[in-house]
Formats: sequence, structure tokens, C-alpha cells
Amino acid sequence: QKEVEQNSGPLSVPEGAIASLNCTYSDRGSQSFFWYRQYSGKSPELIMFIYSNGDKEDGRFTAQLNKASQYVSLLIRDSQPSDSATYLCAVNDSGGGADGLTFGKGTHLIIQP
Amino acid sequence: GAVVSQHPSRVICKSGTSVKIECRSLDFQATTMFWYRQFPKQSLMLMATSNEGSKATYEQGVEKDKFLINHASLTLSTLTVTSAHPEDSSFYICSASFRAQYFGPGTRLLVL
Repeated sequence: QKEVEQNSGPLSVPEGAIASLNCTYSDRGSQSFFWYRQYSGKSPELIMFIYSNGDKEDGRFTAQLNKASQYVSLLIRDSQPSDSATYLCAVNDSGGGADGLTFGKGTHLIIQP
Repeated sequence: GAVVSQHPSRVICKSGTSVKIECRSLDFQATTMFWYRQFPKQSLMLMATSNEGSKATYEQGVEKDKFLINHASLTLSTLTVTSAHPEDSSFYICSASFRAQYFGPGTRLLVL
């Protein structure tokens, strides 16, 4: 049974600071890693995906992957109140999302103005 | 990112009736679509993988005769909840793959 673990939070971060969200996964065979943002009552919105060890940056977001430690993180720089949401970490066994995703329970992030 | 639509966005039905939910990929062709379910304060759980032109693959514990999936074209998958009961009330979300999975806006089902 694959498991994806996240701290449920809430994680409270002042506006303008860096928010750091963490995720660990149990299946060493996982190949693809995704971060989604979900606002209350809405469906998940893709933020980033990462396949290789190291960092991947996209605007204010940086995803970090360490397969040896089975750990993936998301950094949000210059946090804005609109970043307040639940952040879901998801993994699957294939590249490109060809298989279904296993989700963590999500971290509730609150950006304090 | 890719655009996925879902219809209806919300449905209320009586216990015992069937409900059909449509999922469309609007700007790309998707040979594979996925159906998830999310109960309040829980994360998304994969129900089934919908494959264009072939039978769907269901996750363990998901009844294939209760949740009928049809993927008749490269842009449309449907999920029919047959003989719905109150415990089927949930947020049903589809996704389509285009390098990553992009989710539709979801369908909130309430069975009375």
C-alpha cells in the first residue's frame, strides 16, 4: 500500500516570507511527484511536477526532490494571502501522469497579512 | 495548463436513482482519464482509470457495477453512479493526463 505523508498543519506564515511544505512517500519505485493547490470547495490545481532529484523552479515556487530520502518539498517565496490553501503532494509510478495518483492528506497553509 | 471540464457541478438526487457525470478534455486528446472521490476533510482517493476504447480499471474496494465508467472518445469519459445511496454523497473529480494530471472542477453529489 503506497503512502504519502504530509503534516496536516495548519502552517501559518507571514506575508512575504517563505513557506516550506514537506512530503514523504513510502514507495521507492515512485517516479513522478506533483504538488497541487486546493482551495476550499474547489478541485486541485496543478502547481508543479518534478521527476529528477534536485530543485525545479517555476516563478515563486521551487520543488525539491530527494529520492534517496523519499522526500519532496515545495517552497513558496514571497508568500501572498492568496496562497492560503491546502497543498496536496501526489506521487505515481510512471512519468507524465499515465497512472493514477496517490495523494497525501494535504497541508493547510495560512498566509497572515 | 490543460483544460478539463465536468458536468454537472452539483447534483442532488433521491436514494436509488442513478446519476451520470461527464468529464471532457477541452484542448487535448486524453486516452486515459481518472476518477477520484473526496470526502469532507479527506484527500482525493483514486476510484478508477478510464481507458479510451477499453474497460476501466477499478481500484480495490470500488464496485465496478455500481460506478460505471465509459470512455467512448478521446475527449469524453462518463461516470454513472447507479442506485445511489446517501453514503455515495461526495465530491467526484475527474482528471485527464497531458504530461501531468489536470483536474476538472468536480461534481458535488448529494444523495438524499
